[in-house]
Amino acid sequence: KQEVTQIPAALSVPEGENLVLNCSFTDSAIYNLQWFRQDPGKGLTSLLLIQSSQREQTSGRLNASLDKSSGRSTLYIAASQPGDSATYLCAVRPSYGQNFVFGPGTRLSVLP
Amino acid sequence: GAVVSQHPSRVICKSGTSVKIECRSLDFQATTMFWYRQFPKQSLMLMATSNEGSKATYEQGVEKDKFLINHASLTLSTLTVTSAHPEDSSFYICSASLVQGGNSPLHFGNGTRLTVT
Repeated sequence: KQEVTQIPAALSVPEGENLVLNCSFTDSAIYNLQWFRQDPGKGLTSLLLIQSSQREQTSGRLNASLDKSSGRSTLYIAASQPGDSATYLCAVRPSYGQNFVFGPGTRLSVLP
Repeated sequence: GAVVSQHPSRVICKSGTSVKIECRSLDFQATTMFWYRQFPKQSLMLMATSNEGSKATYEQGVEKDKFLINHASLTLSTLTVTSAHPEDSSFYICSASLVQGGNSPLHFGNGTRLTVT
């Protein structure tokens, strides 16, 4: 059974710093992996989707990498801003047709 | 981009009453939608998969008669919490993707905060 963990559970950084959020999964045989952002009391916003054949995806200041063999993905946020404060979740789709398995999230606070 | 709309965003109801939550895909057709429940500071728990024109598939431990799901069209799925109790108070979120099980991202509604008094 696929399990997804995220470390750290919470992170607080000053504005302008570059930071890395980590996601680990127990079964390296995945179909794809998706990173989401969730603001308090809101739904999830899709950030990046990485297929199993890809190593990384980039969107603006965000870069997500995938290392299937080690069961890890990282989300790199460059030049963090207070508006980046949110909870970031990663989710793994184990195989085609299966539902995503979500990690518990990392709560990020970017201080002005 | 794909947009999923969820309504209402907040609802307060009395114990014993039923509440209906709607999930719509605004600019695409979704043969499959998903319903999740989220407790404070916890991740999402998949409740059920809603399939257009057929019965929903419920996850283990989720009561089918308690959480009624109807997916009558390609753009609308509803979740009805029947005979609600205070322990049903939670954040409910729906999601859908352009292609079920495929390579397209999962898109979420903004969630519904249910409070049962």
